[in-house]
Amino acid sequence: DSGVTQTPKHLITATGQRVTLRCSPRSGDLSVYWYQQSLDQGLQFLIQYYNGEERAKGNILERFSAQQFPDLHSELNLSSLELGDSALYFCASSVPIKDRHSYEQYFGPGTRLTVT
Amino acid sequence: SQKIEQNSEALNIQEGKTATLTCNYTNYSPAYLQWYRQDPGRGPVFLLLIRENEKEKRKERLKVTFDTTLKQSLFHITASQPADSATYLCALALITGANNLFFGTGTRLTVIP
Repeated sequence: DSGVTQTPKHLITATGQRVTLRCSPRSGDLSVYWYQQSLDQGLQFLIQYYNGEERAKGNILERFSAQQFPDLHSELNLSSLELGDSALYFCASSVPIKDRHSYEQYFGPGTRLTVT
Repeated sequence: SQKIEQNSEALNIQEGKTATLTCNYTNYSPAYLQWYRQDPGRGPVFLLLIRENEKEKRKERLKVTFDTTLKQSLFHITASQPADSATYLCALALITGANNLFFGTGTRLTVIP
């Protein structure tokens, strides 16, 4: 168990809809990362937050957005969903308050999104 | 273009042998490189991190080397066991980056009893 939790575990929705994925980082970790994993693209970085502020952006579509709240949990919002958005979405956390040079990432179990 | 390539999609080895996985990258300047293990349907699990100024790191049966001149990392599992069967991913973080990772496509290792 990595200590990172993600909900829901599975999500099935229709094209055009909007969903919210939730992530709670390991206790004390300041950074949260979102990744998308699909069969053809592998594991792709989407966006990173550090202590509530956006730190880096990857290949995140404009239809997607995220935020990190004061209690450090994060949400990834996906809107106007398309079939191609079907994938596993992982959240990871790192950089514990007690060791801010610790960069290994701890991944949650993922949310499997299916768009029909 | 930027690429992170892992030597093969799949690698089969006999139990007890040493598995060697390769990660090659182009057009990246990594500050450090990490290796992760991923089992089907689960999140990646951190194994080892090696920094750009380090040549080698070890942890139990695992060893990682990092050659920034060759732009290559090798990942070794000695005395391999069937329980080591999984997909192994290498990942880079950039010198100028924010510690987000760029992942390779992975190598699926099968250890045959």
